[in-house]
Amino acid sequence: NAGVTQTPKFQVLKTGQSMTLQCAQDMNHNSMYWYRQDPGMGLRLIYYSASEGTTDKGEVPNGYNVSRLNKREFSLRLESAAPSQTSVYFCASSSGVGPDTQYFGPGTRLTVL
Amino acid sequence: GQQLNQSPQSMFIQEGEDVSMNCTSSSIFNTWLWYKQDPGEGPVLLIALYKAGELTSNGRLTAQFGITRKDSFLNISASIPSDVGIYFCAGNAGGTSYGKLTFGQGTILTVHP
Repeated sequence: NAGVTQTPKFQVLKTGQSMTLQCAQDMNHNSMYWYRQDPGMGLRLIYYSASEGTTDKGEVPNGYNVSRLNKREFSLRLESAAPSQTSVYFCASSSGVGPDTQYFGPGTRLTVL
Repeated sequence: GQQLNQSPQSMFIQEGEDVSMNCTSSSIFNTWLWYKQDPGEGPVLLIALYKAGELTSNGRLTAQFGITRKDSFLNISASIPSDVGIYFCAGNAGGTSYGKLTFGQGTILTVHP
């Protein structure tokens, strides 16, 4: 099992450009999550999908959209990138059943110039 | 919103020393998790705690779920150089926030050989 995979690993954008971060999991998990990590601030939840077909806002959703394409895949889109969105983005998944733990991907390092 | 205060923010120790870090919350959590993040990687789950008072070990690591359900600690015994990294606590409050984690700011651990 590959677990949680993310693409791309690195990306540089100019202000105003758009892009989609891809995430896939092969653990048959119901729930998937997108976080951003900034120095000294831990991980903050952007959006999550409790199950296929549903998405909900997390703590910092502004400037982002998500799509739960199917049970395996959950993408994060930046429509018009801003320098404040420079961060490391992590995708995670969990079974969503009973007491739950989340498993993380390797991250995407995004720089917006 | 919910907040987790993790301390200390950083630790510099000698190889072989024991390490202790903790997390406190202003509200009750039903699940406490401890993650480790190596440089350039995503967080990896170390220990999961599901009951108040629970004490769980994973090799040299021991974690406890506080009786009040508002705190947790992680101990690492006989530290080694590969323990270097950032350690995060995370909590889940259950109920309507089921599946969503709140993260502490992280403890940066440096181990000198």
